[in-house]
Amino acid sequence: ILNVEQSPQSLHVQEGDSTNFTCSFPSSNFYALHWYRWETAKSPEALFVMTLNGDEKKKGRISATLNTKEGYSYLYIKGSQPEDSATYLCALPPPNQAGTALIFGKGTTLSVSS
Amino acid sequence: EAGVAQSPRYKIIEKRQSVAFWCNPISGHATLYWYQQILGQGPKLLIQFQNNGVVDDSQLPKDRFSAERLKGVDSTLKIQPAKLEDSAVYLCASSLDQGFGYGYTFGSGTRLTVV
Repeated sequence: ILNVEQSPQSLHVQEGDSTNFTCSFPSSNFYALHWYRWETAKSPEALFVMTLNGDEKKKGRISATLNTKEGYSYLYIKGSQPEDSATYLCALPPPNQAGTALIFGKGTTLSVSS
Repeated sequence: EAGVAQSPRYKIIEKRQSVAFWCNPISGHATLYWYQQILGQGPKLLIQFQNNGVVDDSQLPKDRFSAERLKGVDSTLKIQPAKLEDSAVYLCASSLDQGFGYGYTFGSGTRLTVV
């Protein structure tokens, strides 16, 4: 079973701070990595799908990088705003079955205070 | 584009009762997933459908959980009888197809409390 580790489990920052968190995974048989944002009382929302080593993706103030050789991805938020408060989930397909369902980490819960 | 519709949003039942959840995916999405998210854990797959066929139900507790996807569109997930440990958020998601590059569109989930 694929082990997807996210750290930290939670963090609290002040408005305007920049922050980042990590998703770690086994580096062998990598196919893709997905990031989702899940705000309270809303649906999880897709942020990025990353497939190539060295990939960098950006969406507004949020960006992500991928290192498949060492098995990690970083998610960065520049100038955090209260509306960034959410749980950020990382997910990967099983390493030997690229066509089946994503396996999710436990998430990093971000709280941004004004 | 309409999102993934789920109902109900909240449900409170007593243990040993039964409950059903409904999901309507995005039109044209072949793949539908049901996930269970227990507080403090990541979402865990219960069942994956491709059109109206089951791809993976290896983590579905089949003695109490059942799911179907009629005509490859809507899906229902049922629990009978419910246990306290079934308290969780049940998420339905759909994707265009089941390849690893396809992102998921999620519904808003059903929060189930078993007392």
